Amino acid sequence: QSALTQPASVSGSPGQSITISCTGTSSDVGGYNYVSWYQRHPGRAPKLLIYDVNNRPSGVSNRFSGSKSGNTAALTISGLQAEDEADYFCSSYTSTYTLHVLFGGGTKLTVL
Amino acid sequence: QVTLRESGPALVKPTQTLTLTCTFSGFSLSTSEMCVTWIRQPPGKALEWLARIDWDDDKFYNTSLKTRLTISKDTSRNQVVLTMTNMDPVDTATYYCARCGRAVAAFDYWGPGTLVTVSS
Repeated sequence: QSALTQPASVSGSPGQSITISCTGTSSDVGGYNYVSWYQRHPGRAPKLLIYDVNNRPSGVSNRFSGSKSGNTAALTISGLQAEDEADYFCSSYTSTYTLHVLFGGGTKLTVL
Repeated sequence: QVTLRESGPALVKPTQTLTLTCTFSGFSLSTSEMCVTWIRQPPGKALEWLARIDWDDDKFYNTSLKTRLTISKDTSRNQVVLTMTNMDPVDTATYYCARCGRAVAAFDYWGPGTLVTVSS
């Protein structure tokens, strides 16, 4: 099964807002409100930013927000900071029988 | 504080069996609804969900790899072990373990990952 589709890279300047998309199908992103977003800095453990499309775990900055429309989910980071430069990837529950969770290919965010 | 860490060989030969251990702290896998999942990412490719073990010892596998995978837990040692048989160079990847169970299909704590290279 193909991974969820994310842009390979996005960039923005400090203070700006950026949005990363995550496109799937009706069997995953579009069919369930179980989309999550993660941040990964090189060599470090991934960090959960968003779960259930738009919920933030405690301790995650409110600069991170999630949304979904149809088969596409999105992560928005507002007020970009240098420390936001990292890889971001999405995941979704999938109803396909082969596995339980599908991941996106990841997006490299560069803060200019 | 919840932490997880993967351990295992950095290099395995084709056809060999890979054994990875996830050692965790800060939670118990005997707690209701807790689970641990293994996930991998080959270089330049997307993450791939591999297997999951639940607090009640239920086990779930990526059916594309099911015949090669075995997941088990040692609750007293706070460890989850994943074995993958008949390793191939395409299995070269960074392998992660992650905690699950607090939300559907979400992983709230991850290990830093361990790179496994399959080469003769």
